[in-house]
Amino acid sequence: GIQVEQSPPDLILQEGANSTLRCNFSDSVNNLQWFHQNPWGQLINLFYIPSGTKQNGRLSATTVATERYSLLYISSSQTTDSGVYFCAVELMMGAQKLVFGQGTRLTINP
Amino acid sequence: KAGVTQTPRYLIKTRGQQVTLSCSPISGHRSVSWYQQTPGQGLQFLFEYFSETQRNKGNFPGRFSGRQFSNSRSEMNVSTLELGDSALYLCASSLAAGLNTEAFFGQGTRLTVV
Repeated sequence: GIQVEQSPPDLILQEGANSTLRCNFSDSVNNLQWFHQNPWGQLINLFYIPSGTKQNGRLSATTVATERYSLLYISSSQTTDSGVYFCAVELMMGAQKLVFGQGTRLTINP
Repeated sequence: KAGVTQTPRYLIKTRGQQVTLSCSPISGHRSVSWYQQTPGQGLQFLFEYFSETQRNKGNFPGRFSGRQFSNSRSEMNVSTLELGDSALYLCASSLAAGLNTEAFFGQGTRLTVV
């Protein structure tokens, strides 16, 4: 089956720093989403980005579908950005069935 | 517009018992899928329902089952609970497969099996 790999697994930064999280996938996909899991476990939607670039405030994401990767950029990090970030892909021929990466745990220190 | 609602939020059960979890999707969404999250296996797809029909199933034993009602609400059932079933169970809804399939998740049900 499709492999989804996220890097780095852990990232520790000081408040104000910028970060780049990467998601590689091994097959063509119909959909790619980035999520932030809050301390209570809920997955918060960040981006729905099968291809191209999107920005939302301090966050932006780019997916290069032909090269099978996506990047999530966080600028001017705040302590509230801490948590686990997941990318998830939906196979080109599949229905609504997301395959998740193992996540990147981001810790922002004050 | 209300989000995805999962009940209950927390549950403690004994080995061998069964449990039913509920998920109400966003109004107008017809696809509901379920995921299990554990520290060891991460987030894994359980099954997906669309218009009361199971369309996809993940690699889980038959003890895990689900259904969807005509109002798109979904339930999942786990019978003969095992310690390894302790997990966060997340439900997601989306508008419809094949169109905009952006998934929105509920807050999850945290199941502890003792």
